[in-house]
Parts: sequence; structure tokens; C-alpha cells
Amino acid sequence: DTEVTQTPKHLVMGMTNKKSLKCEQHMGHRAMYWYKQKAKKPPELMFVYSYEKLSINESVPSRFSPECPNSSLLNLHLHALQPEDSALYLCASSQTSDSGNTIYFGEGSWLTVV
Amino acid sequence: GEDVEQSLFLSVREGDSSVINCTYTDSSSTYLYWYKQEPGAGLQLLTYIFSNMDMKQDQRLTVLLNKKDKHLSLRIADTQTGDSAIYFCAESPFSGGYNKLIFGAGTRLAVHP
Repeated sequence: DTEVTQTPKHLVMGMTNKKSLKCEQHMGHRAMYWYKQKAKKPPELMFVYSYEKLSINESVPSRFSPECPNSSLLNLHLHALQPEDSALYLCASSQTSDSGNTIYFGEGSWLTVV
Repeated sequence: GEDVEQSLFLSVREGDSSVINCTYTDSSSTYLYWYKQEPGAGLQLLTYIFSNMDMKQDQRLTVLLNKKDKHLSLRIADTQTGDSAIYFCAESPFSGGYNKLIFGAGTRLAVHP
């Protein structure tokens, strides 16, 4: 089983709303990631969690706040977003965050900011 | 530097073979990956190849790796309409210090009858 599950699949939010994206994996992976993908572009890394600790933040604005409550769950809290933040948000996981570990992606959450 | 390049579009007839090409720059990459993205979906890991291999075959998929030229290709035999998608080539440089995927821009494969 190489499944990464993301909810919700679609989210529409206003610029003053607070919402969260959720991600779950039961593969025993200790590294989890958030990627952002704009239309017709490849995914871009946002955050890396290793053993439930944030290890990489790719200069992401503070209106995106990640959280890793346990080794199976990863959340992305959204607040005061801008229309340009509308994108597909992909969660991913790998055995560890060491180089060369295969990364498995979820189906993504489509976010529209209005 | 880290850079992955691939052609943006490929059109093939159903039943023909498709070949998607990719070049990468970082020779430290231990693994090279092919991901498939269907419309409205996430990224599906299609296959990968270890850097000390020249070829890997998995059913209709054949991956060829030329380490000297830093060239990777994905061949899909007997291409079907369900193969229509965007295919991303990705390298995973060891020098990054963490598990970092460098993606190409993606090749859109269109399969027509």
C-alpha cells in the first residue's frame, strides 16, 4: 500500500477565512512534505517534516502554517490567503527525508481563494 | 546546478510506442523518477531507475538511462488513450542534503485514435 490520503479534494475559501488541509499516510513513513502546484507547472516544495519536526521551509509566507500532530498526519493551516495562492496542494511522504528515498504523492487538494 | 529538461508535448497514435525524453544535470542523483499526472489528479509514481542501471523494464514501460550524457527516457509500448497525461521526469540530487525532487516542466502526452 503506497497511499497518501488528502482531504478535502476541493476547497473554496475567502481571503479572511481560516481553513486547513489534511493529509494521512499509514506506510510508516517518517518524512512528510507539502508541495504547491500551479496550473501547467511542476510541483514546488513548500515544507519538509522529518520525524514530526519541521526541517525545511522553502521561504513560504507565514499565511501557510504546517503542523505534524503525529507520524501519520500532516496538516496545512491556511489564513488570510490571496487569490494567487489558488493552486493544487500536494502532500507526499517517504521512508525518511534522506536523499534517494522514493516520494509518494497524494491526489491533492484543489484550493481556490476568492 | 540542478536542472531537468524535457520536451513539452508529444502526440502519438493509439497502439504506437511513445518515447518521452529528459535530460538532467546533477550526476549525484541516486534515483531518477517518472511521475504521471492525469487531469485533475495528483502525481502517481510510474517507475524509477537506480543510477547504476542502464535499463529497467516494467510491463509496457521501459526506462533507459545514459549516465554519461545525463539522458533519461521513458518508452510506453502499445500506447492507449488512458496513457494520456502529463509525465514528469525528476532527479533526486544527493548533494541537496535532504530528499529533494527536481522536476522537469512535464511532457503532455496526447494519444489519438
